Amino acid sequence: NAGVMQNPRHLVRRRGQEARLRCSPMKGHSHVYWYRQLPEEGLKFMVYLQKENIIDESGMPKERFSAEFPKEGPSILRIQQVVRGDSAAYFCASSPPYYPGETQYFGPGTRLLVL
Amino acid sequence: KNEVEQSPQNLTAQEGEFITINCSYSVGISALHWLQQHPGGGIVSLFMLSSGKKKHGRLIATINIQEKHSSLHITASHPRDSAVYICAAETSGSRLTFGEGTQLTVNP
Repeated sequence: NAGVMQNPRHLVRRRGQEARLRCSPMKGHSHVYWYRQLPEEGLKFMVYLQKENIIDESGMPKERFSAEFPKEGPSILRIQQVVRGDSAAYFCASSPPYYPGETQYFGPGTRLLVL
Repeated sequence: KNEVEQSPQNLTAQEGEFITINCSYSVGISALHWLQQHPGGGIVSLFMLSSGKKKHGRLIATINIQEKHSSLHITASHPRDSAVYICAAETSGSRLTFGEGTQLTVNP
């Protein structure tokens, strides 16, 4: 059973471009979480999704950021018109459908660098 | 004041020493998580606790719900234990609130 997969592992964008980060949860997991780790800072919750539903997006910046988890395919975190302050490591985690009561399994992260 | 506080921020130990990392939280939780972040950045979930104590190999995690405090212990520490250890409080809706992490360095 493959773990949580994220791609790309590293992404370089110029200011104003769009960044698309993908997360494929573990097989059988229907809950996905996105977290951001700014340089020299701790992890921060961004959004919690289940298949085709956003459950909690209270940690997402109100503008330029969006997330989806379609019925088929990976979860996508999209950042429009990136700025230098978006440079960070973005981690996703997944858990089984009978969560809570289960551990979240983390992907390796996508390191976004905005030039 | 952060909702999740860890201490110490940095910890250096000699191989073989017993290590304790502390976590205090001020929010109501459904569970308390301990995570390990390797120097390369990858994150591994170590424990999820809602009460009592859990043990996995040389790692032990405890939680006191009344005192809103959890500890992570490492027995017989080894240089490969060097990493950042993060506690995270799970609140309603499965949201995790993270501590700032404890940088552990174990010297041979």
